[in-house]
Formats: sequence, C-alpha cells, structure tokens
Amino acid sequence: EVQLVESGGDLVQPGGSLRLSCAASGFSFTTYGMSWVRQAPGGALEWVSGISPGGGTYYPDSVKGRFTISRDNSKSTLFLQMSSLRGGDTGVYYCTKDSGWLSESWGQGTRVTVSS
Amino acid sequence: EIVLTQSPDTLSLSPGERATLSCRASQAVTNNYLAWYQQKPGQAPRVVIDDASRRATGIPDRFSGSGSGTDFTLTISRVEPEDFAVYYCQQCAHSPRTFGQGTRVEI
Repeated sequence: EVQLVESGGDLVQPGGSLRLSCAASGFSFTTYGMSWVRQAPGGALEWVSGISPGGGTYYPDSVKGRFTISRDNSKSTLFLQMSSLRGGDTGVYYCTKDSGWLSESWGQGTRVTVSS
Repeated sequence: EIVLTQSPDTLSLSPGERATLSCRASQAVTNNYLAWYQQKPGQAPRVVIDDASRRATGIPDRFSGSGSGTDFTLTISRVEPEDFAVYYCQQCAHSPRTFGQGTRVEI
C-alpha cells in the first residue's frame, strides 16, 4: 500500500523559511516522479513543484526561485525547501506520487501558515 | 498557463439523480491530459478519472469522463450518498499543471 506522510508544517513569519518532508513507502520510490501540491484556505489547488526520477525539477512562476524540491532516494523521502514566504503561501501542502503527469496518490498533507 | 473554469460552482442533487460537471480550458488540452479528482471534507483529493475518460482503480462505473480539446465533462449516472464531495479538474498538457476551482456536489 502506498503511504505518503508529510511533516514540517508550521506557523512562520512573512519572509521566513520552512522545510517540508514527505516519507514514502509501499512503492519503488526511485522509479517515480513526485510533486508538491498546495491547497489554499478557500480550497483552490495549486501544483507548486515536481521532481523526476532522475532529479529534474519543475516549478510554476509563482514559486520559482523561492521553493526548492529535492529527494533522498536512499531514505525514500521528498523535501520542499521554502524561503521568502508570503501570506499567499499559506495552505495545506500535499506530497503526491506521480504516474507520468498524474498525481495518482496523495498524502494527508501538512499545514503551513504564513503570518506575523 | 492554461486556465480551467468549472461549472457550476455548486450542484444540488438528491441521491439517484444524474450529475453533470463541466470543465472548460482556455486552450486545447493536448493528448487529453485531463484528470478529475474527488475531495471529501478532511481528506486529500483522489483520482476519479484520468486521460479524460479512464476510470481510476476502484472507481465505480457510475462515474464517466468525456470530452476533448477545451471541453470536458464528468458524469455521475446516479449519485450515491458517498459521492457528495468537491470535484476538481486538472490539466497537464502544458506546464504548469493547473486545476479548476472545483464544483461542490451537495444534497
């Protein structure tokens, strides 16, 4: 059974940094692309980063230069380093296992609140 | 980026009725890289339909997807109580992947 367990969410001040982690199990982590998708308080979903099995990374313009996705294949763990955080970054951050372009499995999410 | 507009925002139905949800793209979604997700309160989204018309594993056959180009539809032939949720469409024909704003199916 695929399991994705996110952690690291917290309350952080604007301009601050945070690192999210996602522990994966139940599948061959090294052979799948992974992504982070966030959900704003009003419900809107936004894909915020993706990483291929080979380590290629992808971002939308809204987070490019501020967010960095990475993976540790030896520990089956996905990371999201976030910096220069803004109020608009507030939300629940989901880790997803990708099948090609599709976010086919999702974790339960970790909450990030950016506020002073 | 491709903007996806879902309609209606809310669909009020009774169990046993037919649900028709629409997702319109601002430009063509090539290769039908269009998915539908279901999200219930307090839960993560889960895939219902991918490639515009293929049901995901474990999804009942009352769910069907159709469409191509810029217009896509999710149909629930007879809504069951467990189908009341928010449904999102997503495209990945062009980066960045984008989602619609969601349609709430409620009693």
